[in-house]
Amino acid sequence: AQSVTQLDSQVPVFEEAPVELRCNYSSSVSVYLFWYVQYPNQGLQLLLKYLSGSTLVKGINGFEAEFNKSQTSFHLRKPSVHISDTAEYFCAVRGTGFQKLVFGTGTRLLVSP
Amino acid sequence: DAGVIQSPRHEVTEMGQEVTLRCKPISGHNSLFWYRQTMMRGLELLIYFNNNVPIDDSGMPEDRFSAKMPNASFSTLKIQPSEPRDSAVYFCASSSPPDQPQHFGDGTRLSIL
Repeated sequence: AQSVTQLDSQVPVFEEAPVELRCNYSSSVSVYLFWYVQYPNQGLQLLLKYLSGSTLVKGINGFEAEFNKSQTSFHLRKPSVHISDTAEYFCAVRGTGFQKLVFGTGTRLLVSP
Repeated sequence: DAGVIQSPRHEVTEMGQEVTLRCKPISGHNSLFWYRQTMMRGLELLIYFNNNVPIDDSGMPEDRFSAKMPNASFSTLKIQPSEPRDSAVYFCASSSPPDQPQHFGDGTRLSIL
């Protein structure tokens, strides 16, 4: 079975500052990793995914994440945030060969001017 | 491309009534997932289908909940009878495995009075 831990329930940051949202996972098998973003009253949108290959993954809206197998982490980063990045961010893991996606509890990113 | 389409977007009904939520997955996707999102429990997988066949319904909370997928382009989630604690946002997602991410609909916000 897989599990995901998002250590921070809320991250406040000022506009144009860098941000890192933390995600750790556990699994007994190889995994695929995902970050989704949810804006108010909307569904989840895929930000980026790690399936294989380069451990640094670039996604939409200037976000990137790095897969670290030894630390079982998949932290999300953005060098300079905008007000419009205010949203809930979910990390998710799926074992390769499995379809069930396990989500973390989410991190609310609050960007203020 | 049309995404995952859910209807209705909002549903308000009285306790004891039957509720039916509908989902049209992305054309060509052969896996479909139903999730429930609440403040208390976060995002929970209720059930998922592969090629119209239910694979894992271990997340379905009670016998009051049932889901069907009569064909590749339509699924329903039914609650009968409904209770106030069923109030939540229900999401449908679809994917085409083995390595593709899930695409989410905009959700149905359900309020049981």
